[in-house]
Amino acid sequence: DIVMTQSPDSQAVSLGERAAVNCKSSQSLLSRSDNRNYLNWYQQKPGQPPKLVISWAYTRESGVPDRFSGSGSGTDFTLTISSLQAEDVAVYYCQQYYSAPLTFGGGTKVEIK
Amino acid sequence: QVQLVESGGGVVQPGRSLRLSCAASGFTFSSYAMHWVRQAPGKGLEWVALLSNNGDNERYAASVKGRFTISRDNSKNTLYVQMNSLRGDDTALYFCARGHGPGSYLIDQWGQGTLVTVSS
Repeated sequence: DIVMTQSPDSQAVSLGERAAVNCKSSQSLLSRSDNRNYLNWYQQKPGQPPKLVISWAYTRESGVPDRFSGSGSGTDFTLTISSLQAEDVAVYYCQQYYSAPLTFGGGTKVEIK
Repeated sequence: QVQLVESGGGVVQPGRSLRLSCAASGFTFSSYAMHWVRQAPGKGLEWVALLSNNGDNERYAASVKGRFTISRDNSKNTLYVQMNSLRGDDTALYFCARGHGPGSYLIDQWGQGTLVTVSS
């Protein structure tokens, strides 16, 4: 199974400042056949289901603000919120869909400082 | 818009069975793979199972393999999971989720979840 490791477990960032969440996979998520990284980022707010924000490591979903961006390739990935807003307070999960069983990182709680 | 509505959760004793359902609407259900994902109280997300659009590919997490069975009725736009031999560590909020395509592992839409509590 592919193990997904996120860091930090939580972070407190001032409004308007940058937040970054890291995710490392135990094996490469880059497919040789299509040159895509099989990595998603989800946002989960309290009492809500997860919401897909970034797919294929860096493709922002429709309606997601452009302050959210994804980067990385292979085994190391980052979700960046360029200017944190109050509505961004949530737990963020990375997830690999390169192979079954699908696996998630442990989550990173992003809060306002 | 896409809607996924889970039902069937509740309190069940260890060793007993439960079947969850997920009613889908707002998209062509028969064209999409479907998943179950669970979240224990206060914990992270755990993928449970996948079923391709036509039912020819099903996969399970090791923690549920042999106890849970995922199925679908495309004529009713409904996804199911039959959960047998339930244990305390199966206690969780169970989400129904849509794959991005017929056999896709990429989960793009989620329901609100139904809570399963395994307790004597």
